[in-house]
Amino acid sequence: DIQMTQSPSTLSASVGDRVTITCRASQNINTWLAWYQQKPGKAPKFLIYKASILESGVPSRFSGSGSGTEFTLTISSLQPDDFATYYCQQYDGFPYTFGQGTKVDIK
Amino acid sequence: QVQLLQSGPEMREPGASLKVSCKASGYTFPTFGISWVRQAPGQGLEWLGWISTYDGDTKYAHNFQGRMTLSTETSTSTAYMELRSLRSGDTAIYYCVRDIGAVAGLFDEWGQGTLVTVSS
Repeated sequence: DIQMTQSPSTLSASVGDRVTITCRASQNINTWLAWYQQKPGKAPKFLIYKASILESGVPSRFSGSGSGTEFTLTISSLQPDDFATYYCQQYDGFPYTFGQGTKVDIK
Repeated sequence: QVQLLQSGPEMREPGASLKVSCKASGYTFPTFGISWVRQAPGQGLEWLGWISTYDGDTKYAHNFQGRMTLSTETSTSTAYMELRSLRSGDTAIYYCVRDIGAVAGLFDEWGQGTLVTVSS
């Protein structure tokens, strides 16, 4: 199975900060990577697919990059609505696997 | 709009079985597959399995092969997840998700989740 590792596990930041989350795959997944945002008590929300393509309606302050085994999710200017947990997920092949999550909280 | 409406919370004893339903609306059901993802309390996301709503083909995560059965009922646009031989480690929120991947694996719409509690 492909292992997905996110760093950091927790990130403390302030409104307006630029935030970067890293996701590493245990083997080459090309750009078959998605990102999700989850708020407490809610289902995850689909943000990005194919490593860098924003889902419709996702604010442009979110961006994704990377290919192969290393990927990043960047929030250019953190907004109050962005405090949440973020998960990466590979869909290169079965079984699909998620990173362990990165919690972005208020500094 | 697209909606996935799941059945309500369930409580079972160890060794029992359960079946969770997921009724889709707002799109043509056979167009996209359905995956199931779970989240144990305070933990991350775990993919469980996928079913093609077109031909019923299924894929399961290793740990659930033989213990889980996914099915669909096209006439009612409903997907089902049956899990047998429940144990305390199965306590989690179970989500059905619309899977728009070319093969599978891309989850654009999520159900509200079904809390499953396994306890004696």
